[in-house]
Amino acid sequence: EAQVTQNPRYLITVTGKKLTVTCSQNMNHEYMSWYRQDPGLGLRQIYYSMNVEVTDKGDVPEGYKVSRKEKRNFPLILESPSPNQTSLYFCASSLRARFGTPSYEQYFGPGTRLTVT
Amino acid sequence: GENVEQHPSTLSVQEGDSAVIKCTYSDSASNYFPWYKQELGKRPQLIIDIRSNVGEKKDQRIAVTLNKTAKHFSLHITETQPEDSAVYFCAASLDYKLSFGAGTTVTVRA
Repeated sequence: EAQVTQNPRYLITVTGKKLTVTCSQNMNHEYMSWYRQDPGLGLRQIYYSMNVEVTDKGDVPEGYKVSRKEKRNFPLILESPSPNQTSLYFCASSLRARFGTPSYEQYFGPGTRLTVT
Repeated sequence: GENVEQHPSTLSVQEGDSAVIKCTYSDSASNYFPWYKQELGKRPQLIIDIRSNVGEKKDQRIAVTLNKTAKHFSLHITETQPEDSAVYFCAASLDYKLSFGAGTTVTVRA
């Protein structure tokens, strides 16, 4: 089954304790992206990757790191989480990288609800 | 960067009536405008999109219009049904980045 998976789905952690949220897709998609969703703010793009070893900042990259060593995986790393990073995180992928070109539809993962105390 | 504003934030309609959600964007270079639907507890899903070289697109009960000069685009849902109740997000994109509006919670009253 074609899908985007994220782990963990729920995580409660403490300030400063490094964590990684994994994202994996089995559709051979070029493009992968991370978003955070907060009430009243919609979805905001954190980082995106156009292909292996190619990543760039979205609108809210501060406090986050990413890597794209393999095409299927795009982990989100919080080196020193803070309470303002409490949010619902979505990973997404699309076959092609550039929006507006064919096969650009993004498929979202199920989401990871992160609470930082 | 791109700034997308979405109105209204909540919308309540009688079943069978139409619903309209409006968005504006700031970067005239943006060229792709998708709309996503998110049901409670679920992930966002693309319902319709439009590219900057098209003024209008329709898919059954859903239509999107784009006014490039005014930098605004709208989602129209006709003959609303209870399953249309959800949060709807507009977005604007330039190349590889995607910026979303804050969302509209649509409630369809039976």
